[in-house]
Amino acid sequence: QQPVQSPQAVILREGEDAVINCSSSKALYSVHWYRQKHGEAPVFLMILLKGGEQKGHDKISASFNEKKQQSSLYLTASQLSYSGTYFCGTEHEEGGGYNKLIFGAGTRLAVHP
Amino acid sequence: DTGVSQDPRHKITKRGQNVTFRCDPISEHNRLYWYRQTLGQGPEFLTYFQNEAQLEKSRLLSDRFSAERPKGSFSTLEIQRTEQGDSAMYLCASSLALGAEYFGPGTRLTVT
Repeated sequence: QQPVQSPQAVILREGEDAVINCSSSKALYSVHWYRQKHGEAPVFLMILLKGGEQKGHDKISASFNEKKQQSSLYLTASQLSYSGTYFCGTEHEEGGGYNKLIFGAGTRLAVHP
Repeated sequence: DTGVSQDPRHKITKRGQNVTFRCDPISEHNRLYWYRQTLGQGPEFLTYFQNEAQLEKSRLLSDRFSAERPKGSFSTLEIQRTEQGDSAMYLCASSLALGAEYFGPGTRLTVT
């Protein structure tokens, strides 16, 4: 039931773009995205609810494809501060918004000058 | 809003000892979650509370683990008879119902 994240790791130069995917085998109610830097707690980025919406702030945005049960996180014009491990947390539809999050194994992103 | 706090930040204990961790959530948040995270993995769900009620507990959690949230405020997580496999980062998070979860800094447990 754990969502599958791809790729496992990405190396970028400053200014390059990246896409991180999160796929589930079960119908999803929501997808939550977090970024975690080494030795720190995960930091909330955004939530997407079923309905195929897209969200974003600054140069980080995400989409949720309900038909594919997949969410993608888009990082554009990457900055050094974007480095870290990105996790998606998925909530299954059967919970209707009252279920726990199940996190993927993470995607490690390194941005170099 | 001072964020989620956890205490202690680090704990080293010998195998077989009991340990207790504390989490203070964001004050207006009615939900509180406990997770465990090992190196290279995402947070693994342990249990969660809505106010003072414990609504779900992971089936992976042995009977040595217990959590409480008296009066719906702070929460404690106790591990009895610790084993080396319990070594991990223990994360607490809080949220409003249907909202984003905000994580605390975690308690790193090392069992020797």
